[in-house]
Amino acid sequence: NAGVTQTPKFQVLKTGQSMTLQCAQDMNHNSMYWYRQDPGMGLRLIYYSASEGTTDKGEVPNGYNVSRLNKREFSLRLESAAPSQTSVYFCASSEADHGNEKLFFGSGTQLSVL
Amino acid sequence: QKEVEQNSGPLSVPEGAIASLNCTYSDRGSQSFFWYRQYSGKSPELIMSIYSNGDKEDGRFTAQLNKASQYVSLLIRDSQPSDSATYLCAVKSGGYQKVTFGTGTKLQVIP
Repeated sequence: NAGVTQTPKFQVLKTGQSMTLQCAQDMNHNSMYWYRQDPGMGLRLIYYSASEGTTDKGEVPNGYNVSRLNKREFSLRLESAAPSQTSVYFCASSEADHGNEKLFFGSGTQLSVL
Repeated sequence: QKEVEQNSGPLSVPEGAIASLNCTYSDRGSQSFFWYRQYSGKSPELIMSIYSNGDKEDGRFTAQLNKASQYVSLLIRDSQPSDSATYLCAVKSGGYQKVTFGTGTKLQVIP
């Protein structure tokens, strides 16, 4: 089973460039999430989507946009990359039901903005 | 105030000892609580979830929840070097799908 698939695994951008991180899950989950992880900061929620057609801001949404394209796919876009966005990005998905909320993570994207 | 707080560590324990990891949260409406383990360079993986006050045991792991004190803990009995990792506390807000993580506690089990 593929689970949660993120692409790309590594990316180097120059300041001001744009890019989209792709995420797809094959578990028919309702909820999907984008987190960033920086040393000493833990996982910080950027955006989440509780269900197809809805998206909500997390703790650190500035500089990012998201699209819940369908139930499987949830993309994260950096319109004008900044060095402060250098981080490891994780996509995750889960069921929405109370008691069945395990987050399944993708393998991560290491992004460097020069 | 961060929504979920953990001591960053590192917490060092000898092999075979009990490791105790702690977490506090600010949203009294939170209903679901999780412990994830993350090895260096890897994705987090769920090891325990807890939803009601008290203790929940799964093998060498015990999660403890005290909603009145807004406190969650994880005990690891008979700690092994393979338990060396960062442990992330996560909390799901009541009525929402948002899951918020603490900064994580790095555990080192010394052989």
